[in-house]
Amino acid sequence: ETGVTQSPTHLIKTRGQQVTLRCSSQSGHNTVSWYQQALGQGPQFIFQYYREEENGRGNFPPRFSGLQFPNYSSELNVNALELDDSALYLCASSPGTGVPEAFFGQGTRLTVV
Amino acid sequence: AQSVTQPDIHITVSEGASLELRCNYSYGATPYLFWYVQSPGQGLQLLLKYFSGDTLVQGIKGFEAEFKRSQSSFNLRKPSVHWSDAAEYFCAVAHGSSNTGKLIFGQGTTLQVKP
Repeated sequence: ETGVTQSPTHLIKTRGQQVTLRCSSQSGHNTVSWYQQALGQGPQFIFQYYREEENGRGNFPPRFSGLQFPNYSSELNVNALELDDSALYLCASSPGTGVPEAFFGQGTRLTVV
Repeated sequence: AQSVTQPDIHITVSEGASLELRCNYSYGATPYLFWYVQSPGQGLQLLLKYFSGDTLVQGIKGFEAEFKRSQSSFNLRKPSVHWSDAAEYFCAVAHGSSNTGKLIFGQGTTLQVKP
């Protein structure tokens, strides 16, 4: 059984650019959530996808968007990058059976310069 | 609104000493509660969870936590800390009626272990 995998592990972008982060969910999981973790802070919920539909969104602007594919993998897209977007982005997958257990990937470290 | 508070930002204990990390939550219904651990630059690993039933739950790496509804607390404990336990610890509560893994996290507690 493979766990949650994220790519890339690190990347550096320039302010104003766009970025796409990718996540492969754990086998058998149909729900993917994305979190932003700023340095020294706890993770903040961005949004969740359940069976390819958005299922809840946190307090993030529309330039944060996502997709979930038929194989339940997911993308997080951020447009018009700002310096404050620099953070560790975590993907978590869940079985989606009403049990709220989330399994996290290793994260993508995004640095905006 | 749901929230999680971890009152201690940083804790230092000696190796072999006991440990208790505090967590208080605010939630209208019966909460689903979690403790995660994070090593520097890494993702989150689930230590233990409480959904219902026995209020004392056992987790991995010798950790346990006790749910106390009257105090809205879910404190994490370990009888004897090892140097490898040094990390960031996060308490979290499940958020939303669907309960499909949307979590609200506390700010975290950094654990330092002295030799």
